[in-house]
Amino acid sequence: AQKITQTQPGMFVQEKEAVTLDCTYDTSDPSYGLFWYKQPSSGEMIFLIYQGSYDQQNATEGRYSLNFQKARKSANLVISASQLGDSAMYFCAMREGRTSYGKLTFGQGTILTVHP
Amino acid sequence: DTAVSQTPKYLVTQMGNDKSIKCEQNLGHDTMYWYKQDSKKFLKIMFSYNNKELIINETVPNRFSPKSPDKAHLNLHINSLELGDSAVYFCASSQANRQNEQFFGPGTRLTVL
Repeated sequence: AQKITQTQPGMFVQEKEAVTLDCTYDTSDPSYGLFWYKQPSSGEMIFLIYQGSYDQQNATEGRYSLNFQKARKSANLVISASQLGDSAMYFCAMREGRTSYGKLTFGQGTILTVHP
Repeated sequence: DTAVSQTPKYLVTQMGNDKSIKCEQNLGHDTMYWYKQDSKKFLKIMFSYNNKELIINETVPNRFSPKSPDKAHLNLHINSLELGDSAVYFCASSQANRQNEQFFGPGTRLTVL
């Protein structure tokens, strides 16, 4: 079974609008971390935001926020005020367990295109 | 000031050859990783080292052998290269803390002809 599912292969958004990228996860471990990474066309992987399973509040980092719904096992990324430079592939990932050096399991990715 | 660096960035080689990819991090992290990104952009863990000790070895052919001479370096050696090894290989590092985000290198695009 897929541990991380991103159901949107591609998304389009108008510049300055907000966009939500979906991510659902599957784990039986009560301790886990959820991550979002951005991969622009140049290929590098850029860390965006993190949410811990015990965190009470949704994570925010600048224009990025994570809509964490634990009961639904979803961790959607919200990008506000989209910019042309946000066009990229976005990956949701999970680290399971208390081990602080656990592997990341990635979703399939969502390609975001921002239109001017 | 590159945090995680990999060499080479591109590697084109013939089937059957042996090649190495080097990774270095200057972040003082104690854990390093190798990931493989296939042609469909799917990323999967291959290996992880913590303080030079192998802690994760996913189902990877034993033609792939990681080596960590010290905490700042994690190299990947691949023997008898096959067409299916063509991919982008990412090195990453992290520090044991609550968040433990992994910082990725720029990737090495390996093409096996």
